[in-house]
Amino acid sequence: GDSVTQMEGPVTLSEEAFLTINCTYTATGYPSLFWYVQYPGEGLQLLLKATKADDKGSNKGFEATYRKETTSFHLEKGSVQVSDSAVYFCALIHVDQGGSEKLVFGKGTKLTVNP
Amino acid sequence: DTEVTQTPKHLVMGMTNKKSLKCEQHMGHRAMYWYKQKAKKPPELMFVYSYEKLSINESVPSRFSPECPNSSLLNLHLHALQPEDSALYLCASSFRTSGSSYEQYFGPGTRLTVT
Repeated sequence: GDSVTQMEGPVTLSEEAFLTINCTYTATGYPSLFWYVQYPGEGLQLLLKATKADDKGSNKGFEATYRKETTSFHLEKGSVQVSDSAVYFCALIHVDQGGSEKLVFGKGTKLTVNP
Repeated sequence: DTEVTQTPKHLVMGMTNKKSLKCEQHMGHRAMYWYKQKAKKPPELMFVYSYEKLSINESVPSRFSPECPNSSLLNLHLHALQPEDSALYLCASSFRTSGSSYEQYFGPGTRLTVT
């Protein structure tokens, strides 16, 4: 079945460092891809998305490009801030036999940014 | 307005209690979801409602009973829960569940503790 693999971390960086969180997927076809972020004690927030190959999603300085050739959707940010400390989930949309769409999540990557 | 609200924020209940979780959205979304999230894990899908009809039940025990009274409201009725049901319960909504990959918007969650 469809699945998402992301680096589990934890990842610890200093403020203003460059961030990469790797995400690869296995799926039939070309599913839409998402990055969600969960701040401590909160629900999930959609960070960015891409719906087709070569699409680049971006938001709040974060970017990810849908790479069909490498089945990847790596999250990057050029200069992280302490406020970016959170858990990041990569996800794809899986279409089941009934035609309903379900999110399939990776295991999450905890990011801690130190001042 | 891209907000999904959930009440209560925290809930402590005994194994013989009956309680309900409530979720509300006013974005005109016609699909609503319940997820369960244990610590340091991604959310696990429990139920999906599409146009106020239950479309997916991920083999959830009957002590969890969902209800969708109208297109803006989603309830989760709890009865005779076990301590292992303690978790963060997240509600989400999206424009639709099929036909296109619409992103899901999550609420802040209800932190449930079963004693």
